[in-house]
Amino acid sequence: QVQLVQSGGGVVQPGRSLRLSCAASGFTFNIYTMYWVRQAPGQGLEWVALISDDGSNKYYSDSVKGRFTISRDNSKNTLYLQMNSLRAEDTAVYYCARVSLLGATTTYFQHWGQGTLVTVSS
Amino acid sequence: EIVMTQSPATLSVSPGERATLSCRASQTFSSNLAWYQQKPGQAPRLLIYGASTRATGVPARFSGSGSGTEFTLTISSLQSEDFAVYYCQQYNNWCSFGQGTKLEIK
Repeated sequence: QVQLVQSGGGVVQPGRSLRLSCAASGFTFNIYTMYWVRQAPGQGLEWVALISDDGSNKYYSDSVKGRFTISRDNSKNTLYLQMNSLRAEDTAVYYCARVSLLGATTTYFQHWGQGTLVTVSS
Repeated sequence: EIVMTQSPATLSVSPGERATLSCRASQTFSSNLAWYQQKPGQAPRLLIYGASTRATGVPARFSGSGSGTEFTLTISSLQSEDFAVYYCQQYNNWCSFGQGTKLEIK
């Protein structure tokens, strides 16, 4: 079955960096677009970044553009989110998610990681 | 950007009764809309996609309808496990979520 197992969250000071990972299994990783979606405490869901199946296309929300970098290693079936210049407003649970439709850039999400909490605080 | 607005923010309903949750889009589109259920400490769970198609394993008491700018999630007879937060998501133009409706026990 499809599994997305996340790691890498924690507490970090403002202005510092953190990298999240999402290890995929149970499906052919290199043919699916992948997303990062976040949820601030007590708030709704916000897409953060997406990357195409071969890693050639990457898109970011305005709130993280220029600070976050999404990447993937298809040989390791792993998705990454490098977060630089972190701010207090980046505090959230971050989820990786797989698109549900092959070939689609925007779609609904059947499969989600378990989430990892990132807290930006001095 | 398509802004999704859910109402009400909180809905109090008794077990066994019907719940109707609304989601309004700032721009019109046909059916690229999904609904999710989220319980505390858990990832969202897909319930409905294509505005009205139930995801695998979702009970028949959950139904979705609507098109254009108005969409509805209906839970026909609430069970104890249905009390949670529900989000709508459009995927017609990039991706955006509503702010959620908390369904609580009356």
